[in-house]
Amino acid sequence: DAGVIQSPRHEVTEMGQEVTLRCKPISGHNSLFWYRQTMMRGLELLIYFNNNVPIDDSGMPEDRFSAKMPNASFSTLKIQPSEPRDSAVYFCASSIGTSGRAYEQYFGPGTRLTVT
Amino acid sequence: DQQVKQNSPSLSVQEGRISILNCDYTNSMFDYFLWYKKYPAEGPTFLISISSIKDKNEDGRFTVFLNKSAKHLSLHIVPSQPGDSAVYFCAANRRRGTDKLIFGTGTRLQVFP
Repeated sequence: DAGVIQSPRHEVTEMGQEVTLRCKPISGHNSLFWYRQTMMRGLELLIYFNNNVPIDDSGMPEDRFSAKMPNASFSTLKIQPSEPRDSAVYFCASSIGTSGRAYEQYFGPGTRLTVT
Repeated sequence: DQQVKQNSPSLSVQEGRISILNCDYTNSMFDYFLWYKKYPAEGPTFLISISSIKDKNEDGRFTVFLNKSAKHLSLHIVPSQPGDSAVYFCAANRRRGTDKLIFGTGTRLQVFP
């Protein structure tokens, strides 16, 4: 299996622009997670889906952030408008976990976002 | 509020010696704990886990110890190798009702020859 695929690997954009990050989870996994990594807060969970349904979005920082999972093989995280404080590495992860049980999560390589 | 804390941002150990990475948590509902390893420009990879019904789990050179009364866990690497140099994250989960993992801020381990 190719593992979790994320694109782009690097994104540089100007403040105010829309940014869309993409993720393809491992085939057969039914939970998908979006994380943000910063020096100060480490790995923060933004949102997670189970069977394409958002289960917990309490980590989404503001209305500027939105995430979708239209099918089992694709998810997007959108920031509109972007701000310099959004600069971070964003990871997508997937697992075979069903609601109520945590399984090992497999992470993608991340997208390094820089907002100038 | 950080529910999972790794108070040492970095650790430097000589090759062949033991590396001990520490993690503290505050939520007594956590009952499953994991360690992940992360190399630069890569995503974290799962290393080892432990359930709260155990106080020790061992996998080769890696052993995780859990002290529930102190809300503390540690990862021991023996013997340490240069390839172990990475950032280590501990994570915690409340197994019933959620897949959510709460991660610490990470400890950067450097193993020198």
